[in-house]
Amino acid sequence: QKEVEQDPGPLSVPEGAIVSLNCTYSNSAFQYFMWYRQYSRKGPELLMYTYSSGNKEDGRFTAQVDKSSKYISLFIRDSQPSDSATYLCAMSALDNYGQNFVFGPGTRLSVLP
Amino acid sequence: ETGVTQTPRHLVMGMTNKKSLKCEQHLGHNAMYWYKQSAKKPLELMFVYNFKEQTENNSVPSRFSPECPNSSHLFLHLHTLQPEDSALYLCASSLNRGPTGELFFGEGSRLTVL
Repeated sequence: QKEVEQDPGPLSVPEGAIVSLNCTYSNSAFQYFMWYRQYSRKGPELLMYTYSSGNKEDGRFTAQVDKSSKYISLFIRDSQPSDSATYLCAMSALDNYGQNFVFGPGTRLSVLP
Repeated sequence: ETGVTQTPRHLVMGMTNKKSLKCEQHLGHNAMYWYKQSAKKPLELMFVYNFKEQTENNSVPSRFSPECPNSSHLFLHLHTLQPEDSALYLCASSLNRGPTGELFFGEGSRLTVL
């Protein structure tokens, strides 16, 4: 079983749709959960960072973490063509060296005008 | 100056060439990372430096050789690469290796090995 599972897509939605992106993980030691957005030919940029189970909202984006189910989600409301990108989930745990990040393969999203 | 700068953005090299990738961060961070990104695969951590000391080497072949002369600069020296090494190489930095050390990425160096 892979440490982090994420559907690679591609996912195509019409403008204005609600988008749901998901990841599952197997390591219960993960404590910090992140979503990165990566535009074509660019590096990933951090969108959301959460620690505990529950929801965190930032504008049109909501990150949800369910530690009991080992499941995290990112919701995008009123999606825009500018949201077209690859979304990477990431999670981390502390090891002997410090924070150790593990990434999902990313979901490619296209929002069609 | 942008946060994390990588050069070159694109590199094509033969299997017998020697080249280097450069990363520079202007964020005052103490930890720097090299990641490999291949199509439809998760980011693979290659090397980590914390306060200029290499703390992790994730079983990376010796044809990849990192160098960190100071906390702001990171290099990846490449020699006798294989075609399967073609990928996007991402440099990242974080303030520290602690629990809230957010990763900031550069735009990557796209490497093609012929």
